Amino acid sequence: NAGVTQTPKFRILKIGQSMTLQCTQDMNHNYMYWYRQDPGMGLKLIYYSVGAGITDKGEVPNGYNVSRTTTEDFPLRLELAAPSQTSVYFCASSYDRGGYGYTFGSGTRLTVV
Amino acid sequence: AQKITQTQPGMFVQEKEAVTLDCTYDTSDPSYGLFWYKQPSSGEMIFLIYQGSYDQQNATEGRYSLNFQKARKSANLVISASQLGDSAMYFCAMREVTSGSRLTFGEGTQLTVNP
Repeated sequence: NAGVTQTPKFRILKIGQSMTLQCTQDMNHNYMYWYRQDPGMGLKLIYYSVGAGITDKGEVPNGYNVSRTTTEDFPLRLELAAPSQTSVYFCASSYDRGGYGYTFGSGTRLTVV
Repeated sequence: AQKITQTQPGMFVQEKEAVTLDCTYDTSDPSYGLFWYKQPSSGEMIFLIYQGSYDQQNATEGRYSLNFQKARKSANLVISASQLGDSAMYFCAMREVTSGSRLTFGEGTQLTVNP
């Protein structure tokens, strides 16, 4: 039972570099999400997807892009990394709109220097 | 306006005592869900308890209970018989029907359990 798997766990980027944070789930969940957590703060939604081929912006989408070509995978792309993107990134998934069933990955700690 | 407000940045409790972590929310949706998550120092998000807006009873899960006061728009987490392993960051979150499946989080409360 892998659940939600995020890679890498840690990464240091230089300003202006790009990278992709990987997220995959094996629970056949329709809904997937990317959140960021700044130090000492709550989670803020970056992007989400309600199914393959469908994505939408969350609260803080600037500087990021996503794609959802399969049910399992929901990668997050950072273009032209900036220090303000230093954060912990969480991927999550849920089966439907209701109730419990949100499963979080273990997070990616990203530092932009 | 903040949708989820957690007014206690930090809380301290003695081992074996009960503690209440406050959460107030703001929504005009008739249907919504309230969640509590625990985040230990290792960083993972651990689901604790869920309360639906139409649930008549307060939710309970082992030592965790949710004191749901709908008219006051509060959803406080009560941890009974605190243990040292309860030391962590605790987040309240809400899902509104108009926002689909997305969760909105509060800023969190850092709980420290003292021996």
